[in-house]
Amino acid sequence: DVKVTQSSRYLVKRTGEKVFLECVQDMDHENMFWYRQDPGLGLRLIYFSYDVKMKEKGDIPEGYSVSREKKERFSLILESASTNQTSMYLCASSLLVQGNGYTFGSGTRLTVV
Amino acid sequence: AQTVTQSQPEMSVQEAETVTLSCTYDTSENNYYLFWYKQPPSRQMILVIRQEAYKQQNATENRFSVNFQKAAKSFSLKISDSQLGDTAMYFCAFRPASGSGNTGKLIFGQGTTLQVKP
Repeated sequence: DVKVTQSSRYLVKRTGEKVFLECVQDMDHENMFWYRQDPGLGLRLIYFSYDVKMKEKGDIPEGYSVSREKKERFSLILESASTNQTSMYLCASSLLVQGNGYTFGSGTRLTVV
Repeated sequence: AQTVTQSQPEMSVQEAETVTLSCTYDTSENNYYLFWYKQPPSRQMILVIRQEAYKQQNATENRFSVNFQKAAKSFSLKISDSQLGDTAMYFCAFRPASGSGNTGKLIFGQGTTLQVKP
């Protein structure tokens, strides 16, 4: 069964900490995405990558960075965590081919205190 | 800017009945794809159904079907014979066709929480 795996289901971090959220897919997908999900706002795109070492900003990149050193792994980095980054973070991957939807990970609920 | 709007934050339906979730979108593209995703309490997002804009026939997957009105930019999801396991948040999503500079990004609506009551 194909999978997108997020390293943590729940995470609690302190304000100012550097936080790494890891995502690994085993489907050889070109595209990988990081979204945050907040009540009433749906899913908002933070960053995405369509190839190794390639990255593009999404709609809300401020306060985040990403790394994609290998095709299967896409990391989201919170350089200095703040309380307004408390959220659900969803990783997804897809083929570059037209019309494909995403395969999602099961999400990381991050709380910054 | 392309946007997706789900105007019903919450809905409920009795088990075995039919419910329709609304979705509208805004785009100047002619070719695109539309999706409905389901997110149950387990949080795992699952693809429910997919529609290609150039196909006039509405997509159907078992108890799930869509009413795609391209001119009205409307893409509603109908769930027939609702089951308790359909309780979830449902997201409508839009993806422009490749070739318009898009690399596969999906644009999501705000979500509709559906409660199926016994």
